[in-house]
Amino acid sequence: AQSVSQHNHHVILSEAASLELGCNYSYGGTVNLFWYVQYPGQHLQLLLKYFSGDPLVKGIKGFEAEFIKSKFSFNLRKPSVQWSDTAEYFCAVNAKGSTLGRLYFGRGTQLTVWP
Amino acid sequence: DAGVTQSPTHLIKTRGQQVTLRCSPKSGHDTVSWYQQALGQGPQFIFQYYEEEERQRGNFPDRFSGHQFPNYSSELNVNALLLGDSALYLCASSFRLAGTLANTGELFFGEGSRLTVL
Repeated sequence: AQSVSQHNHHVILSEAASLELGCNYSYGGTVNLFWYVQYPGQHLQLLLKYFSGDPLVKGIKGFEAEFIKSKFSFNLRKPSVQWSDTAEYFCAVNAKGSTLGRLYFGRGTQLTVWP
Repeated sequence: DAGVTQSPTHLIKTRGQQVTLRCSPKSGHDTVSWYQQALGQGPQFIFQYYEEEERQRGNFPDRFSGHQFPNYSSELNVNALLLGDSALYLCASSFRLAGTLANTGELFFGEGSRLTVL
């Protein structure tokens, strides 16, 4: 079975600070990796995804993530956060080529950005 | 292009009752997955439907059942409600790659149905 660990449950930053949220997964095979974001009162939205190719992927709103296969990690980064980035961030994984597309989610990291 | 729509948005039930939640997938999607998100937790997979059949199931009891209709919409039913069933229930849709059974794995979520069991 697959599992996802997000080490930071709550991160508090000031505007313009840099962000890095950790995500590690456990699975013996090849995976697809995702970061989803849930803004207050809104539905889960895809922030970025990694399927194959360049391990550094760029998503919406200036976010990027790097897949490091040897470390089973897919950390999310942003060089300068804004107040509007306040949200909950979820890392997720599924087995590549899965006929079923089931996602395994981490428990989430709540990001609070102070103006 | 409508996204994933769910109804109702909020509901309150008492222990022992039954509840039905509904979901319409994003246009062009044929696969519906249901997730339970308890407070402070990430979404947990309940089950997935395509071609009107349950294809995979997570670690949830038989009290949780579902259905998919020919128009790809879906229902989640929970019987004999327990206090611990209080959660946000998320519907997510996706589509399978043409000519294969492989799912893209990229899910589009609805806003959820928040169930409170008293």
